[in-house]
Amino acid sequence: SQQGEEDPQALSIQEGENATMNCSYKTSINNLQWYRQNSGRGLVHLILIRSNEREKHSGRLRVTLDTSKKSSSLLITASRAADTASYFCASLTLTGTASKLTFGTGTRLQVTL
Amino acid sequence: GAVVSQHPSWVICKSGTSVKIECRSLDFQATTMFWYRQFPKQSLMLMATSNEGSKATYEQGVEKDKFLINHASLTLSTLTVTSAHPEDSSFYICSVLHQGDTQYFGPGTRLTVL
Repeated sequence: SQQGEEDPQALSIQEGENATMNCSYKTSINNLQWYRQNSGRGLVHLILIRSNEREKHSGRLRVTLDTSKKSSSLLITASRAADTASYFCASLTLTGTASKLTFGTGTRLQVTL
Repeated sequence: GAVVSQHPSWVICKSGTSVKIECRSLDFQATTMFWYRQFPKQSLMLMATSNEGSKATYEQGVEKDKFLINHASLTLSTLTVTSAHPEDSSFYICSVLHQGDTQYFGPGTRLTVL
């Protein structure tokens, strides 16, 4: 399987703490994206980091990318109860005109009050 | 970002029947759409890439005769699950490709086959 791995599988923290999720992928990529999914709902695009970038910020989100290790991390600072969701990384490969997104296994984040 | 809708949101059907799921790109013309399947507490698995005006490209292990994809216009792709069985029960999500490298996802369709 080409599916990426994420760890931890599940993470429980208290509101105000930071949450860090890690993702590893298997092939060379054009970019890596992070998505959020609330239970039983569609995916929301959070942030995209290109293969030539090492770090990117968006609000309370910080993403890093290490292409030599084929890994990425997502940091959510000052977490809120509303951040409770599943988070997926997805690596994008472009082959000619074909675009393919391969998802990681996901991290279920629980933020408690 | 792009706005993508799916219809229906959920469907329950009897074993052996066929179910059609629609995916619409509401605010731009999408030449490429994707169909994913997600089992409970699992990740998304790409089923097929849908290209407007041509045949879909299926991932290994996905039966093209069972999961019929039609991308007849730049705003609509349909997935038909033929002769559905309980093991086909899943969450089906479509996405549209925007500007070559970003996908925007629909809200998903939950299929339950009795």
